[in-house]
Amino acid sequence: GESVGLHLPTLSVQEGDNSIINCAYSNSASDYFIWYKQESGKGPQFIIDIRSNMDKRQGQRVTVLLNKTVKHLSLQIAATQPGDSAVYFCALSRPGTYKYIFGTGTRLKVLA
Amino acid sequence: NAGVTQTPKFQVLKTGQSMTLQCAQDMNHEYMSWYRQDPGMGLRLIHYSVGAGITDQGEVPNGYNVSRSTTEDFPLRLLSAAPSQTSVYFCASSYTAGRGENTIYFGEGSWLTVV
Repeated sequence: GESVGLHLPTLSVQEGDNSIINCAYSNSASDYFIWYKQESGKGPQFIIDIRSNMDKRQGQRVTVLLNKTVKHLSLQIAATQPGDSAVYFCALSRPGTYKYIFGTGTRLKVLA
Repeated sequence: NAGVTQTPKFQVLKTGQSMTLQCAQDMNHEYMSWYRQDPGMGLRLIHYSVGAGITDQGEVPNGYNVSRSTTEDFPLRLLSAAPSQTSVYFCASSYTAGRGENTIYFGEGSWLTVV
């Protein structure tokens, strides 16, 4: 069946360094991908999205890269700050449905 | 900027009790959905709605009912609570259902414990 997996359950980075969080998916027909940030005790917060006709999209301090050949999605956070500490997870659309598949998340820890 | 509002934030139920989790959005979104989040399992879709009067089942619908009488509201009903329904519940909405610019916005969550 369809799946979404994150490569690391936990990622620790030094404050000021760049962070890269990865996500792999199985359904090559997925056409819309979203990254969310979830802080403890809160709901998921939209960070950035990308459609399948793109391979890169940039936001404020964040970049999402999509490699459809290997079915891989990554989120890059530049100059990681303590406020970036959270769980990050990817979501992708199920083509032909109104449904999304969510990954289990990577916990980002920012070290001072 | 209310966005997606869920109530209650926390609830403890006894096995067999019923309750309703409320969800309201003020963004005129067509699509609304309910997810549960359990440790190590990601978000799983319970029920969703693509518009007023239209609902459908997600991945884990058993034990839950929904209705969508208005665009704004999408309550989730637990019919007879079971310990397996202990979870964090998130209501979410997006402008249109399906594909395209369909960013999903989430509420702050409802922590439910069934004892």
